[in-house]
Amino acid sequence: QSALTQPASVSGSPGQSITISCTGTSSDIGSYNLVSWYQQHPGKAPKLMIYEVNKWPSGVANRFSGSKSGNTASLTISGLQAEDEADYYCCSYAGIRTYVFGTGTRVTVL
Amino acid sequence: EVQVLESGGGLVQPGGSLRLSCAASGFTFSAEAMSWVRQAPGKGLEWVSSIGSRGSPIYYSDSVRGRFTISRDNSKNALYLQMNSLRAEDTAVYYCAQTRDYSFKNWGQGTLVTVSS
Repeated sequence: QSALTQPASVSGSPGQSITISCTGTSSDIGSYNLVSWYQQHPGKAPKLMIYEVNKWPSGVANRFSGSKSGNTASLTISGLQAEDEADYYCCSYAGIRTYVFGTGTRVTVL
Repeated sequence: EVQVLESGGGLVQPGGSLRLSCAASGFTFSAEAMSWVRQAPGKGLEWVSSIGSRGSPIYYSDSVRGRFTISRDNSKNALYLQMNSLRAEDTAVYYCAQTRDYSFKNWGQGTLVTVSS
């Protein structure tokens, strides 16, 4: 199973909105509405931000939103804040209880 | 408060074995599936293995199948990963994560496994 494809980096100014794409195949993202997104600050454990494409775990700000079209999922961060600077990973269920992560995107707040 | 704490990492020679443990608290461990996810130094996340709430079903990534064994002891709220025939490419931080709704909800801080001679 190949990793999902994400842009290496995305940047934005405080208050702006940015979108991170995550491209898979018809065997993973295209087949299931089971995409999740994770935020990881340097040296820290990942944190779940979105699950099942567009659902929020408790405690996650609704500035983070998810969507999916075909084989591509997206994470949008609205009202960008300094603390949003981190690495972001998408993940998709890929059938038979297996999962595939994305390559990761470094978000920089200018 | 949900807490997940991994242990058992360390330096091991190629071909060697290591057993990781994960202690969980703050949720009903026996009702939750659990997973191991790893991250090589400076690299992205990679799903390794998952286990159902009662010990099955069990699934592995192609990269570890036949070498790693996941297990759990619900009486001890503990998850394990027995790693055999270790290779240099298994060097990574290994995270234990509560798994629900096809996502990884609560993660530990990870334990570093280094495979080197």
